[in-house]
Amino acid sequence: GQQLNQSPQSMFIQEGEDVSMNCTSSSIFNTWLWYKQDPGEGPVLLIALYKAGELTSNGRLTAQFGITRKDSFLNISASIPSDVGIYFCAGPPGWVQGAQKLVFGQGTRLTINP
Amino acid sequence: DTGVSQDPRHKITKRGQNVTFRCDPISEHNRLYWYRQTLGQGPEFLTYFQNEAQLEKSRLLSDRFSAERPKGSFSTLEIQRTEQGDSAMYLCASRYTGELFFGEGSRLTVL
Repeated sequence: GQQLNQSPQSMFIQEGEDVSMNCTSSSIFNTWLWYKQDPGEGPVLLIALYKAGELTSNGRLTAQFGITRKDSFLNISASIPSDVGIYFCAGPPGWVQGAQKLVFGQGTRLTINP
Repeated sequence: DTGVSQDPRHKITKRGQNVTFRCDPISEHNRLYWYRQTLGQGPEFLTYFQNEAQLEKSRLLSDRFSAERPKGSFSTLEIQRTEQGDSAMYLCASRYTGELFFGEGSRLTVL
């Protein structure tokens, strides 16, 4: 089945640093989603991307839909302690936008040293 | 609280026992999903309901697993004859046409 590969698997940074993570797929996705999951909680949607090349921001977060449709990037600027958590990329497999299930990457775990 | 609600939050059971999880979606959401998440992995799709109809099931949903949504509102996920490999977080999510909202999950530990 289709898989999403996230990199890096974990990051240890200092508060105030910028963060970059990415997600790649062997097949095309027509939608890319970025979620954050805190310990003991369900994932929460951060940013949704629907068009190749699209660059979208949500506060200090910026995500891009890769031109090839096979990758996406998430950047966090000026990290703060509440950014700690696991970040997942996700998308509906196949060509049909609005497909009913999502495939998730394995996550990037972000740890911040104060 | 008008979010997706799951019960119980934690369940510890012995191998071979049956367990049932309940999900109450956001009230106007007609679409309901179950996902499973094991340690260090992202959520994996299990099954999907539109109203009371179960429209898609993953190959992960073995015959020991059954999900229902009898009145198109709350849903239950039952696991019969639990195995240690069933230990995971079971996440419920719901949506109408837009964003998927996840519950906090039900964590299952099979001893």
